[in-house]
Amino acid sequence: DAKTTQPPSMDCAEGRAANLPCNHSTISGNEYVYWYRQIHSQGPQYIIHGLKNNETNEMASLIITEDRKSSTLILPHATLRDTAVYYCIAVQGAQKLVFGQGTRLTINP
Amino acid sequence: ETGVTQTPRHLVMGMTNKKSLKCEQHLGHNAMYWYKQSAKKPLELMFVYSLEERVENNSVPSRFSPECPNSSHLFLHLHTLQPEDSALYLCASTRGQGNTEAFFGQGTRLTVV
Repeated sequence: DAKTTQPPSMDCAEGRAANLPCNHSTISGNEYVYWYRQIHSQGPQYIIHGLKNNETNEMASLIITEDRKSSTLILPHATLRDTAVYYCIAVQGAQKLVFGQGTRLTINP
Repeated sequence: ETGVTQTPRHLVMGMTNKKSLKCEQHLGHNAMYWYKQSAKKPLELMFVYSLEERVENNSVPSRFSPECPNSSHLFLHLHTLQPEDSALYLCASTRGQGNTEAFFGQGTRLTVV
């Protein structure tokens, strides 16, 4: 599975859009990009995933570049409850979900 | 509420004790996983079960022994653990192979004294 690179931490003001980048330059054609988040001391929570088209659901939007070497998770109106560690994973199948260090996102009032 | 329930939520055990962690899901999923998360470290995949068969064991010491009696239940039996085994143990399930989302339990916070 492709390795992903994320900034270790980010800050965002409450009510603004939070844009979390992820690089996956070695991603292969059949690997999906998954995003999860983990609020302190809880289990990770699935957010969204995509292959090559942009995706949107009630939680977030996922923008994948045309060459698929990077993606951005967008939380359109961040709230304090969005403070968490966000993980970007490039994976062929869910059985190989391997988590990296992720990005610690802090939403500030 | 994710549909994946882990018990107990907290556990303190001595190094000579034997204990078990339990995970159950009623989502109709047929793959289940154990992860370990030590302080300030990423989640580590320990075991994968698919259709009650163990399909992956990531070099986990034998003092951790998983059991999957049916597709809804997963156990992690613990014996003669070390203090460095203290961690958050997370269970997850997926519908099966392929590109599906994983549902995680709240975890068991284990402290070995």
